[in-house]
Amino acid sequence: GESVGLHLPTLSVQEGDNSIINCAYSNSASDYFIWYKQESGKGPQFIIDIRSNMDKRQGQRVTVLLNKTVKHLSLQIAATQPGDSAVYFCAARAGDYKLSFGAGTTVTVRA
Amino acid sequence: SAVISQKPSRDICQRGTSLTIQCQVDSQVTMMFWYRQQPGQSLTLIATANQGSEATYESGFVIDKFPISRPNLTFSTLTVSNMSPEDSSIYLCSVGGLPEYNEQFFGPGTRLTVL
Repeated sequence: GESVGLHLPTLSVQEGDNSIINCAYSNSASDYFIWYKQESGKGPQFIIDIRSNMDKRQGQRVTVLLNKTVKHLSLQIAATQPGDSAVYFCAARAGDYKLSFGAGTTVTVRA
Repeated sequence: SAVISQKPSRDICQRGTSLTIQCQVDSQVTMMFWYRQQPGQSLTLIATANQGSEATYESGFVIDKFPISRPNLTFSTLTVSNMSPEDSSIYLCSVGGLPEYNEQFFGPGTRLTVL
């Protein structure tokens, strides 16, 4: 089965700095990846996704990078704001419909 | 994107009782999923709710403990049966995947505490 893990359980970042959250996956057949943001008391919120035929995708203030060679995924948040404080999850899917979730990284933004 | 609502948003229940959680989606979707998120943990898939057929359960989850209904393409229920304190978790409804979406979306969750 798929194993998805985050490199760091917590990340503290100064407001205005860029944040980078890393994730590793085990299944080389994984072909679709999603990053979610979960604020306290809420369900996970879709941030951005990427397919395995791409290595980079950009959204509003966020960029996802995919390195299939080393099975590594990262989420970059530009100019981090207090509202970015949350738990971030990466998830991977290998052909079927099931998502496997990583453990989550708690991002705390310092004013 | 799909808009998902869940009822109740939270509940406190006594050991041995059962709770049914409802999930409503604002559009017809083929795939609906139920997840559990234990305190401070990641998300674990309980089952996939299929319209018109029995749910498909993941390893470690059984129908007797977590019966699921899927009467139509916009609604599903998950029952947590014969609850124990170990069932205290957030239960999340999710929809997505083909054919309607590439992405997968989550409801706000039901926060369950079992005493």
